[in-house]
Amino acid sequence: AQSVTQPDIHITVSEGASLELRCNYSYGATPYLFWYVQSPGQGLQLLLKYFSGDTLVQGIKGFEAEFKRSQSSFNLRKPSVHWSDAAEYFCAVARSNFGNEKLTFGTGTRLTIIP
Amino acid sequence: ETGVTQSPTHLIKTRGQQVTLRCSSQSGHNTVSWYQQALGQGPQFIFQYYREEENGRGNFPPRFSGLQFPNYSSELNVNALELDDSALYLCASSVGSMGETQYFGPGTRLLVL
Repeated sequence: AQSVTQPDIHITVSEGASLELRCNYSYGATPYLFWYVQSPGQGLQLLLKYFSGDTLVQGIKGFEAEFKRSQSSFNLRKPSVHWSDAAEYFCAVARSNFGNEKLTFGTGTRLTIIP
Repeated sequence: ETGVTQSPTHLIKTRGQQVTLRCSSQSGHNTVSWYQQALGQGPQFIFQYYREEENGRGNFPPRFSGLQFPNYSSELNVNALELDDSALYLCASSVGSMGETQYFGPGTRLLVL
């Protein structure tokens, strides 16, 4: 079964600083990979996804992620964070080429932005 | 705005009761998935419905059941509520069931006392 590990439970970053959130996955074949963001009291918003092709994926709100098969990683990055980026971030994996496309989520990383 | 709505937003029940949560998907989205998100955890897959039939289930007991209707709405029913059922319940809709992007609603927060 697939699994996702987000090693950082909580990260604090200064506004304007760069950000990298880590995500490692376990899956035998090429996975579908996602990053979602959840603001307090809100549902999940898709930031970006990787299905195939270029391993550097651009998303909304200035986020990008890089798929590294050799490291089983899909880290999320942003060159300069804004106070509005404070939220919970979830990495998720889905099995490719399978009709039952459930998402398996990591436990999330809470991002705090300080002035 | 994802176009996916859920009702109610909050709900309080007592142990042993039954609850029905509702989701309205985007028009044209024939797949709906339900997830349970306990406090401090990532969402856990409950089940998925595709064209009104169950199309996969996670590790949840049979007292969790669902329905999907032709008008792109769906329900999650939980019988014999337990304290551990307290969580945020999210529905997500998509077109088809083969790796398409899932769009999440804002969730229903259920508290079981």
